[in-house]
Amino acid sequence: DGGITQSPKYLFRKEGQNVTLSCEQNLNHDAMYWYRQDPGQGLRLIYYSQIVNDFQKGDIAEGYSVSREKKESFPLTVTSAQKNPTAFYLCASRLGLSPTYEQYFGPGTRLTVT
Amino acid sequence: AQTVTQSQPEMSVQEAETVTLSCTYDTSENNYYLFWYKQPPSRQMILVIRQEAYKQQNATENRFSVNFQKAAKSFSLKISDSQLGDTAMYFCAFSTGGGADGLTFGKGTHLIIQP
Repeated sequence: DGGITQSPKYLFRKEGQNVTLSCEQNLNHDAMYWYRQDPGQGLRLIYYSQIVNDFQKGDIAEGYSVSREKKESFPLTVTSAQKNPTAFYLCASRLGLSPTYEQYFGPGTRLTVT
Repeated sequence: AQTVTQSQPEMSVQEAETVTLSCTYDTSENNYYLFWYKQPPSRQMILVIRQEAYKQQNATENRFSVNFQKAAKSFSLKISDSQLGDTAMYFCAFSTGGGADGLTFGKGTHLIIQP
């Protein structure tokens, strides 16, 4: 089955700890994305990557970091510098650079920091 | 920067009725794409319909159709013969025409289909 995997589904951390969210796709897509979803806020773009070893900041990149060492993997680290890390995080991918290609989403990870 | 506005936080209609969700956007771009995504209680994002700005004809996908008014920067979604399974959050989203930058989303409309 081709698709996007995000693990775990629920993640709990103590304040002050860094945490890494996993995103893996076997669709052979070039572009990958991380979004954050808060209640009543819609989705906001954190980071995106067009090719391996390259990524760009989105609208709310502060307190987050990413890497793209392999085409199929785009992990997101939520650092202790992120003031409000509790949220639902969605990973997405797209075959090509053009928006004519559909953006596919993973099932999401719910992060709770206390 | 682009903005997307959905002015209806929640809507409720009876099964089999037709419902229209509103979306307006602001951009200085001439080449762009507009999308409607559905997020059911499972929270999986599903693409409902897509419209390319340079196409005059409104997009249609089965019971779902859009009314794209480029001059007014309006992009509404019409759901005909609504079904219980249509109950979900609906998000309007925008993408510029070039490059792989991500989507800009509105805050969503919670649509409830009543039996």
